[in-house]
Amino acid sequence: DAKTTQPPSMDCAEGRAANLPCNHSTISGNEYVYWYRQIHSQGPQYIIHGLKNNETNEMASLIITEDRKSSTLILPHATLRDTAVYYCIVRFSGNTPLVFGKGTRLSVIA
Amino acid sequence: EPEVTQTPSHQVTQMGQEVILRCVPISNHLYFYWYRQILGQKVEFLVSFYNNEISEKSEIFDDQFSVERPDGSNFTLKIRSTKLEDSAMYFCASFLTSPYEQYFGPGTRLTVT
Repeated sequence: DAKTTQPPSMDCAEGRAANLPCNHSTISGNEYVYWYRQIHSQGPQYIIHGLKNNETNEMASLIITEDRKSSTLILPHATLRDTAVYYCIVRFSGNTPLVFGKGTRLSVIA
Repeated sequence: EPEVTQTPSHQVTQMGQEVILRCVPISNHLYFYWYRQILGQKVEFLVSFYNNEISEKSEIFDDQFSVERPDGSNFTLKIRSTKLEDSAMYFCASFLTSPYEQYFGPGTRLTVT
């Protein structure tokens, strides 16, 4: 699996958009980009995934660059409950495990 | 909304004892995983299970570990003789088919004394 690089921590004001970057310069053509988050010591929670196109769901938007070497997760209106560690993971489709890095610790500040 | 459940939420055991951690995956899911997270460290893959057999396992998943799907709903992780370093959060996850997301349970905190 390709490796990802994320900033260790970020702050965001409550109500503002949180933009979390991820570099995955060695991603291969059929690897997906997944985002998960972990609030405190709870089980990781799926947020969104994409292959080439930008994606949006009720939680977030995922912007993938045209060369697929980086992506940005956008939480449009961050709340205090969005404080968590966010993981960017690339993996092949199929029955393959998620490989977690250290992620980005997002702190949403009132 | 369907969810993965795990029991117990916290298990305390003495070194050398056997423990069984239980998971009930989402009912129509076909792929099952165990991960663990030692306090302050990354989430690590242990084992994946599909069609009643292990698909893949990590180096952590040695002979002390085993998994089983004893009936149509439960998925268990057994540690035969626990060590202090087995203390961690253990997460079960399941998914239907790729590239669908893996759904994680809330975890079992295992404390080995």
